[in-house]
Amino acid sequence: DAKTTQPTSMDCAEGRAANLPCNHSTISGNEYVYWYRQIHSQGPQYIIHGLKNNETNEMASLIITEDRKSSTLILPHATLRDTAVYYCIVRVTYGGATNKLIFGTGTLLAVQP
Amino acid sequence: EPEVTQTPSHQVTQMGQEVILRCVPISNHLYFYWYRQILGQKVEFLVSFYNNEISEKSEIFDDQFSVERPDGSNFTLKIRSTKLEDSAMYFCASRASGTEAFFGQGTRLTVV
Repeated sequence: DAKTTQPTSMDCAEGRAANLPCNHSTISGNEYVYWYRQIHSQGPQYIIHGLKNNETNEMASLIITEDRKSSTLILPHATLRDTAVYYCIVRVTYGGATNKLIFGTGTLLAVQP
Repeated sequence: EPEVTQTPSHQVTQMGQEVILRCVPISNHLYFYWYRQILGQKVEFLVSFYNNEISEKSEIFDDQFSVERPDGSNFTLKIRSTKLEDSAMYFCASRASGTEAFFGQGTRLTVV
């Protein structure tokens, strides 16, 4: 699985959009970009994933550059409850038996009131 | 919304004792995982389980660890002889084919 690079920490004002970047320059053609978050030692929570097209769901938007070497997770209106560590993970998705997730250190997003 | 359930939420055990951590995955899921997170460190993969057998395990998952799906609903992680360094949060996860993994809220294991 390709390696990802994320900033260690970021701040965001409550109500503003939070834009979390991730670099994955060695991503291969069959690897997806996944985002999870972990709120204060709770279990990681799935947010969104994508292959090459931009994706949006009720939690966030995922913007993937055309060359797929980087992506940005956007939380459109951050709240205090969005304070968490955000993990960008790149991996192959297929019907195989493993599909384990390799977590890095992630980005600690602190939403400020 | 369906969720992965883990019990107990906190387990304290003496060094050298056996401990069993329990998980109830989401009912139609077929792939099961255990991860652990030592305080202040990364979430680490331990083992994946599919079709009643281990499909992959990490270097951490040595002979002291075992997993079992004793019935149609539970998925357990056993540590035979706990060490101080086994103290961590243990997370169970499950997924259906081709979907994302859902995690439980974890069991905090404290070895004293």
